[in-house]
Amino acid sequence: RKEVEQDPGPFNVPEGATVAFNCTYSNSASQSFFWYRQDCRKEPKLLMSVYSSGNEDGRFTAQLNRASQYISLLIRDSKLSDSATYLCVAPPNNAGNMLTFGGGTRLMVKP
Amino acid sequence: DGGITQSPKYLFRKEGQNVTLSCEQNLNHDAMYWYRQDPGQGLRLIYYSQIVNDFQKGDIAEGYSVSREKKESFPLTVTSAQKNPTAFYLCASSNPGGLDTGELFFGEGSRLTVL
Repeated sequence: RKEVEQDPGPFNVPEGATVAFNCTYSNSASQSFFWYRQDCRKEPKLLMSVYSSGNEDGRFTAQLNRASQYISLLIRDSKLSDSATYLCVAPPNNAGNMLTFGGGTRLMVKP
Repeated sequence: DGGITQSPKYLFRKEGQNVTLSCEQNLNHDAMYWYRQDPGQGLRLIYYSQIVNDFQKGDIAEGYSVSREKKESFPLTVTSAQKNPTAFYLCASSNPGGLDTGELFFGEGSRLTVL
């Protein structure tokens, strides 16, 4: 099982819709995760962190479900500018000291 | 402004040639990283360095080499031994403890195409 797995999408949604995507992880000891946003042909940028208590930032909500070992990202009232690839990132594990990036989920918001 | 500068942004090379990608940061970060990204794929770690004059192999180091002679510079050489070098290369840096916060600062990337 990969350390971090994501549905590559694309998720095609109309403007104003609510969309959610998940990311599963294999290391049950991990306690924090991160979502990065990557625009087409650009560098990734940190969007938000997610801990056991979850995290909300405006229209974006991230949750961590440790029992089922997945994290989620919910986007409300989607904007055209939300179109991007969202990368799920796991913290360093015992075997190494690097972040692990998922393959990304592509979101396309249509007018 | 502080940040990470990668150059060149686009690079074409013929098979059998070595190329060096530049990465410079003025964020005073100790740790620097090189990642490779292929279309529709996540980021894969090539090399990383946590301190000057020291670096470690990542998951896909074969066919690549790096140096860290200065804190602000971490160049990556793609050698002719790398069988499939066409990709998007991203350099990043982080603060001490940056991995706890998950925050890597990325350059704009270098897109290498082998003809």
